[in-house]
Order: sequence, then structure tokens, then C-alpha cells
Amino acid sequence: DAGVTQSPTHLIKTRGQQVTLRCSPKSGHDTVSWYQQALGQGPQFIFQYYEEEERQRGNFPDRFSGHQFPNYSSELNVNALLLGDSALYLCASSFGRSFYGYTFGSGTRLTVV
Amino acid sequence: AQSVTQLGSHVSVSEGALVLLRCNYSSSVPPYLFWYVQYPNQGLQLLLKYTSAATLVKGINGFEAEFKKSETSFHLTKPSAHMSDAAEYFCAVSVAGGGSNYKLTFGKGTLLTVNP
Repeated sequence: DAGVTQSPTHLIKTRGQQVTLRCSPKSGHDTVSWYQQALGQGPQFIFQYYEEEERQRGNFPDRFSGHQFPNYSSELNVNALLLGDSALYLCASSFGRSFYGYTFGSGTRLTVV
Repeated sequence: AQSVTQLGSHVSVSEGALVLLRCNYSSSVPPYLFWYVQYPNQGLQLLLKYTSAATLVKGINGFEAEFKKSETSFHLTKPSAHMSDAAEYFCAVSVAGGGSNYKLTFGKGTLLTVNP
């Protein structure tokens, strides 16, 4: 049973560019959340998608946007990249608006130069 | 709003010694509490969770945690450390209410080092 799959695993972008990260949730899960983990910090909640809609959003600027597809997979888009956007981006999936914990992917390491 | 404080950014123990990682939370409503472990260059793995059932929660790899409402704590323990326990540990809180707010709020993490 596949867990949460994220792609790519690593990428390097230049300031001002745009990036798209992808996530396939665990089989049977329909909710996807995205987190940003800066070096040496705990993950910070970006937003959550359920039924193809953004249901909740953390304290992140509009440069961060997302999408959920009918098959429950999700994309995270970041526009006008800043050096400070360099981080590990984690995708977490769950069933419904579960408060019983989430299954995390291995993350995408984004480096902005 | 909920928050988590992990006391001690770095804990070092000897192999076979007791592991104690401290977590205190703040929440205006009954919380759900979690401990996650992160190995280098990997995602987060759930160790255990408290969801208002038994206050003593047993998790994977011999870890357990006790929910103490009076102390607003959810400390993680393991009787005997193993070299493979060396990793970063995150405590997280989630609250339910109004059909939203199931996001996880994490502490800053505690790096556990196990010495031979």
C-alpha cells in the first residue's frame, strides 16, 4: 500500500521563478495538507485541501497557492520565489478532516538561489 | 489558538538510558496531541497520538507518552534508548471545532542523540 508520494525530491530554483510541487495522497485518503519546514524548525501549516477546495490556510502570502484534483492528488505552487522560501515542503494526507493524525510524505527539498 | 513548547532543543542520552522528551501545550479546547519522529532527509513518522481516550498512550518502537491536563503536558518517554532512536522528535497539537482547525501545530523539535 503506497504511502504519500511527493515529487520531485529535490530542486533548485532562482529568485523570482515559480515552482510547482506535487503530492499523491495515501490510498483511501481524500484530504491533503501542505507544510513548510525551514531548516532547524518545526513544520508550519500552509493550507489544506478537501473536496477540491482550500478549506483552511495558514499565515502564508498569496504567492503560495494550491490545487486538488478529482483523484485527490494536489499541487503546491509558489510564485516569485524568495531566498526565504528555501525549505522542506511536506505533504500530509488524511481521511476526511481527520484529527487522528496524518500520513506524511518524505518531502520536497526546495533551494532558492 | 493552540501552541506547543518543546523544552530542550537537544537531548543527549547513553544507550540503554531513559529517554524523556518534554512537551507542553496550550489550547483553549480539549486537544489532540501527537509525537512525530523525523530521521535525516526524511518526512515525519507518527510515533503515537492522544485523542481523548486513555491518558497513557503507547506508540511504536517502545515509546509512550502521558497526557496530563493539570500540567498541560504530553512528555514522551522510552525506558531504554537504542542507537536507532537518534532523530528529531516533534510534538504537535490539533484541535477540533467548527468544522475546521484540524491543522497540526508543531513545536520546534528536539534532537535526540544516543551515545554508545
